[in-house]
Amino acid sequence: GAVVSQHPSWVICKSGTSVKIECRSLDFQATTMFWYRQFPKQSLMLMATSNEGSKATYEQGVEKDKFLINHASLTLSTLTVTSAHPEDSSFYICSAAEPSGGFTDTQYFGPGTRLTVL
Amino acid sequence: QKEVEQNSGPLSVPEGAIASLNCTYSDRGSQSFFWYRQYSGKSPELIMFIYSNGDKEDGRFTAQLNKASQYVSLLIRDSQPSDSATYLCAVGGMDSNYQLIWGAGTKLIIKP
Repeated sequence: GAVVSQHPSWVICKSGTSVKIECRSLDFQATTMFWYRQFPKQSLMLMATSNEGSKATYEQGVEKDKFLINHASLTLSTLTVTSAHPEDSSFYICSAAEPSGGFTDTQYFGPGTRLTVL
Repeated sequence: QKEVEQNSGPLSVPEGAIASLNCTYSDRGSQSFFWYRQYSGKSPELIMFIYSNGDKEDGRFTAQLNKASQYVSLLIRDSQPSDSATYLCAVGGMDSNYQLIWGAGTKLIIKP
């Protein structure tokens, strides 16, 4: 159980274009999803927390107008990188939170999306 | 400032031995603790979580929690080369809204 899919697994785009990444929880409903970014040999960096039916909460330093997050259902969240530039090239990973009966929800990760902006 | 600390490593362990990974945390209110494994170029995968003081075993993995000393550890018995990865410790709280605090990870190398 607790499978999270992410699509696409990799994408190459030209500078200035927008890219949409989908994250789905396949066998459970996730009221909360998270978006992370990871540069080579660096730690996970939380970008934003996405709650179904409400606006995402962005971490300090993350531009909400550049990284648009939509969490339209209990099983789907999308991240759109708008007007992508080479410095946005990174490994983007989503996670979906499964309720843990009173403790912090357990996060299950999607396989990640490798974005390369030319 | 809530912090989770891990030794970055690399920690080198011979095949078949026990690998011991440690994690300390600063917030005494922390109540839930998670270990993830991340292979190079892949996303993290959950190994196990622990909520209560003591040991919790799952196959070759044992999580140990000591809230008084504010540390949690992960033991890997009969280490295999396939266990070579970065191990991430994450610390949570008593409710769903408590944001997970992540350690930077320990790189483990199992030498054949």
